[in-house]
Amino acid sequence: DGGITQSPKYLFRKEGQNVTLSCEQNLNHDAMYWYRQDPGQGLRLIYYSQIVNDFQKGDIAEGYSVSREKKESFPLTVTSAQKNPTAFYLCASWDRDDYGYTFGSGTRLTVV
Amino acid sequence: KQEVTQIPAALSVPEGENLVLNCSFTDSAIYNLQWFRQDPGKGLTSLLLIQSSQREQTSGRLNASLDKSSGRSTLYIAASQPGDSATYLCAVLPTSGTYKYIFGTGTRLKVLA
Repeated sequence: DGGITQSPKYLFRKEGQNVTLSCEQNLNHDAMYWYRQDPGQGLRLIYYSQIVNDFQKGDIAEGYSVSREKKESFPLTVTSAQKNPTAFYLCASWDRDDYGYTFGSGTRLTVV
Repeated sequence: KQEVTQIPAALSVPEGENLVLNCSFTDSAIYNLQWFRQDPGKGLTSLLLIQSSQREQTSGRLNASLDKSSGRSTLYIAASQPGDSATYLCAVLPTSGTYKYIFGTGTRLKVLA
């Protein structure tokens, strides 16, 4: 089955630590996105990539970094510079043929 | 700047009722509009996608309409069931700029048995 796999499902970060969230897709989609979801605030775009080896900042990129070395993979690193990282993180990909978004099941990150 | 609004923010209905969820957007220059469902702690599941040239799309008990000129879309759920309880989000894909959806904040639906 084609889809997007996010791992891990739950992640705990200590203060000052960098953590990386995985996002893998087998849909052959060119574009991939990372969103952050906080209660009552809706989805906010962190980074997106429309092609391999290229990515752009979204609305809240500070404290985050990404890479796009392969079409299938778009990992997100939450750095120690992100002061309030506790949130639900969603990865999505976009299909140029029917223009629809497909989402992964999310990673819940908690600072301990 | 495109903005997407969903009203109401929350809705409770008895089982079996037909209901309508609303989505409005400020700029009619869109490629399409997509409706999603999100269960607590889960990702978003695509329900229906309406291209800008279409007026409506149907899937089972769901029907979504699009009136681009007035900046409105509705999601109609027929014969609601407790399993329909979830948050419903709409998102538009603007024609300007890069291919990034703009999301509403959602309507939290509770269907009472």
